[in-house]
Amino acid sequence: GDSVTQMEGPVTLSEEAFLTINCTYTATGYPSLFWYVQYPGEGLQLLLKATKADDKGSNKGFEATYRKETTSFHLEKGSVQVSDSAVYFCAQSNSGNTPLVFGKGTRLSVIA
Amino acid sequence: GAGVSQSPSNKVTEKGKDVELRCDPISGHTALYWYRQSLGQGLEFLIYFQGNSAPDKSGLPSDRFSAERTGGSVSTLTIQRTQQEDSAVYLCASSPTRVSSTDTQYFGPGTRLTVL
Repeated sequence: GDSVTQMEGPVTLSEEAFLTINCTYTATGYPSLFWYVQYPGEGLQLLLKATKADDKGSNKGFEATYRKETTSFHLEKGSVQVSDSAVYFCAQSNSGNTPLVFGKGTRLSVIA
Repeated sequence: GAGVSQSPSNKVTEKGKDVELRCDPISGHTALYWYRQSLGQGLEFLIYFQGNSAPDKSGLPSDRFSAERTGGSVSTLTIQRTQQEDSAVYLCASSPTRVSSTDTQYFGPGTRLTVL
């Protein structure tokens, strides 16, 4: 079945470091891909999304490119801040009538 | 405008009791989802409502779980005879329509259920 695999955390970085969180997916069709973020004590929020191959989603300095050839959607940010500390979830939605399939989440801690 | 709201925010119950969790979706959103977030299991889909169609119940873990959506708006997730393994955060999400897979799902803050 459809699935999402993302790198296990926790990830601890110093402020201004470069961030990559790997995400790969398996799907029977051509899914839309998402990154959701959960800040401490808050609900899930959409961070960015991409709906077709080679699309790049971006928001708040984060980027991810939909790579069909490698079935990947890695999350990157050039310079992380303490306020980026959160749990990040990669997800896919394969068709118009299926719910999101999430990865297990990656906890990021950024220290000053 | 108002986002997705859920109540209660926290619920502590004793094993064997029934619980009801409520979700108020964003006004006008036709699709509503329930997910469960638990340690070790991540985020799991439970049930999905789209308009007046029959719900997709394929994610419900057992027949102790049920959900309804009245008038195409508010939804209630009911867990009967709760077990300790039901302890989790129950998340509700809504989206405007499901004619395509690109619709963003907007999540509520969740209900943290603890079964003693």
